[in-house]
Amino acid sequence: DAGVIQSPRHEVTEMGQEVTLRCKPISGHNSLFWYRQTMMRGLELLIYFNNNVPIDDSGMPEDRFSAKMPNASFSTLKIQPSEPRDSAVYFCAGAIGTRLLDTQYFGPGTRLTVL
Amino acid sequence: QKEVEQNSGPLSVPEGAIASLNCTYSDRGSQSFFWYRQYSGKSPELIMFIYSNGDKEDGRFTAQLNKASQYVSLLIRDSQPSDSATYLCAVNMRTNQAGTALIFGKGTTLSVSS
Repeated sequence: DAGVIQSPRHEVTEMGQEVTLRCKPISGHNSLFWYRQTMMRGLELLIYFNNNVPIDDSGMPEDRFSAKMPNASFSTLKIQPSEPRDSAVYFCAGAIGTRLLDTQYFGPGTRLTVL
Repeated sequence: QKEVEQNSGPLSVPEGAIASLNCTYSDRGSQSFFWYRQYSGKSPELIMFIYSNGDKEDGRFTAQLNKASQYVSLLIRDSQPSDSATYLCAVNMRTNQAGTALIFGKGTTLSVSS
């Protein structure tokens, strides 16, 4: 099993540019979570999906952030326009479901730097 | 407010000692609790989970849960330099009526000296 796949692994862009982060969850995992990690704020939940349907997007910081899950094997997190304060590591995680004992498995992350 | 609190550390212990990591959480209704380890520059990896009050042992690791006190801990026996990492406490909380998700603490950095 390849595990959760994220791309790109590193992204450097300039302020104002559009950034798209991609995630392919483990086959059979019906829930997908997007997190952002910074030194100051730790690992923050941005949004999560269950069976491709967004369940809670209250963690999305601003309207500049949007996420989609068009099918069970692919999700995107888009930032438009990007700002320097968006610089962070963005993780995608998958789980079988959203039940209380469903363990989340993390992808390798995308390190985003906005100049 | 959904909060998970951990001491940031660093927690320094000598090789072979017991490392004790602590975590408190705000949601009294939470039912499952997870410990993840994160090496620098890597993604979090699951160490163990616990959902019943008391202790749960897995090799050198023991998780302890006290729901009345809203307190979770992780003990690492016979600490090794390879245990040096950031340990993240995560609590599965209901975020709205439709689902639950892991809410993470900011992590405790552990340093094991040889």
